[in-house]
Amino acid sequence: GIQVEQSPPDLILQEGANSTLRCNFSDSVNNLQWFHQNPWGQLINLFYIPSGTKQNGRLSATTVATERYSLLYISSSQTTDSGVYFCAVVGGANSKLTFGKGITLSVRP
Amino acid sequence: DTEVTQTPKHLVMGMTNKKSLKCEQHMGHRAMYWYKQKAKKPPELMFVYSYEKLSINESVPSRFSPECPNSSLLNLHLHALQPEDSALYLCASSQGDGYEQYFGPGTRLTVT
Repeated sequence: GIQVEQSPPDLILQEGANSTLRCNFSDSVNNLQWFHQNPWGQLINLFYIPSGTKQNGRLSATTVATERYSLLYISSSQTTDSGVYFCAVVGGANSKLTFGKGITLSVRP
Repeated sequence: DTEVTQTPKHLVMGMTNKKSLKCEQHMGHRAMYWYKQKAKKPPELMFVYSYEKLSINESVPSRFSPECPNSSLLNLHLHALQPEDSALYLCASSQGDGYEQYFGPGTRLTVT
């Protein structure tokens, strides 16, 4: 099945800093989603972005489908951005959503 | 409205109990999903319902029994669980295969 790798596994930032989270995948994708899982476990949809670039406030994402990667940019980070960021894809011969292992972000005041 | 609701939020049950988890969506989605998530791991797919029919069972033990009474509701019936089944159980819905999935807040299950 399709493989999803996220990097870095852990990230510590000072409030106000910018960051880039990366997601690599091993096959063509029909669906790519970025989620933020808050400390209570809720998975919050950030972007549905199988290709192209999108922006939502301080967050933006770019997927380069031909090169099989996606990037999530967080600008002017806030403590509420802390949590785990998952990239998940549907692709290859599989119709199920396959998650990466996640990136744990800690933003310090 | 992009909301998926789940009840209960927390559940503690003994290994001989029978309980059910409930999930509801009113987005007109035709696919609904159950996931299981252990601490510090990504969610793992358990079941997929498409147009109220079970389309994927990821080799889940029979002590977990899904049910889709109608297009808006999804249940997960639990019986004779083991302590290792303690986890966060997430429900999701989407318009169909390959479309954006929306997740509920989850049920945190503890089996004693």
